[in-house]
Amino acid sequence: SAVISQKPSRDICQRGTSLTIQCQVDSQVTMMFWYRQQPGQSLTLIATANQGSEATYESGFVIDKFPISRPNLTFSTLTVSNMSPEDSSIYLCSVDRQGSGWETQYFGPGTRLLVL
Amino acid sequence: DAKTTQPPSMDCAEGRAANLPCNHSTISGNEYVYWYRQIHSQGPQYIIHGLKNNETNEMASLIITEDRKSSTLILPHATLRDTAVYYCIVRVEGGSEKLVFGKGTKLTVNP
Repeated sequence: SAVISQKPSRDICQRGTSLTIQCQVDSQVTMMFWYRQQPGQSLTLIATANQGSEATYESGFVIDKFPISRPNLTFSTLTVSNMSPEDSSIYLCSVDRQGSGWETQYFGPGTRLLVL
Repeated sequence: DAKTTQPPSMDCAEGRAANLPCNHSTISGNEYVYWYRQIHSQGPQYIIHGLKNNETNEMASLIITEDRKSSTLILPHATLRDTAVYYCIVRVEGGSEKLVFGKGTKLTVNP
């Protein structure tokens, strides 16, 4: 398995401001993923972050709104920019981890964001 | 879009087996069936995955039909702590492919 931590665990922000969420993994990984889970909904992938290259964004998500950094193989940040109440969600990072000959994704605990 | 279909909710009595079905009729030959669960707003937790053979681990058993178009996750002795949303996902193993989550099944284990 993988040990993944996220900071902050929760925050309440004012509209128009930005919040940077940190994701730290206990060992080096190639790919990190950022998901959003809006209230009462399932998870939706925002982007995939590969160390040393630009993040790849899913349809409906743009870099200006959700800039991502991936400075090394154990760390990534997601910024939610110019926030509005519609950005109130849980934001989760995940990583792929090899184990016993197979690979699966492990998730962090999430960051609960409320935008007023 | 998710390639799986699950019932929106199910109930189970504590101590009994919980059998959660999943349909994945368009699954490709190289796609695995993965199960995750999410306990009240925590990060999703990996449970089990398989290709075509039945699989068992300390958490659950996975039964995949011979045509691979459907599967069942079995929690043999459900406890109150198993109350969660269970997601069935098909995905190619390896290659760091994204997980596409559907709406999942909300399992409620009752005392």
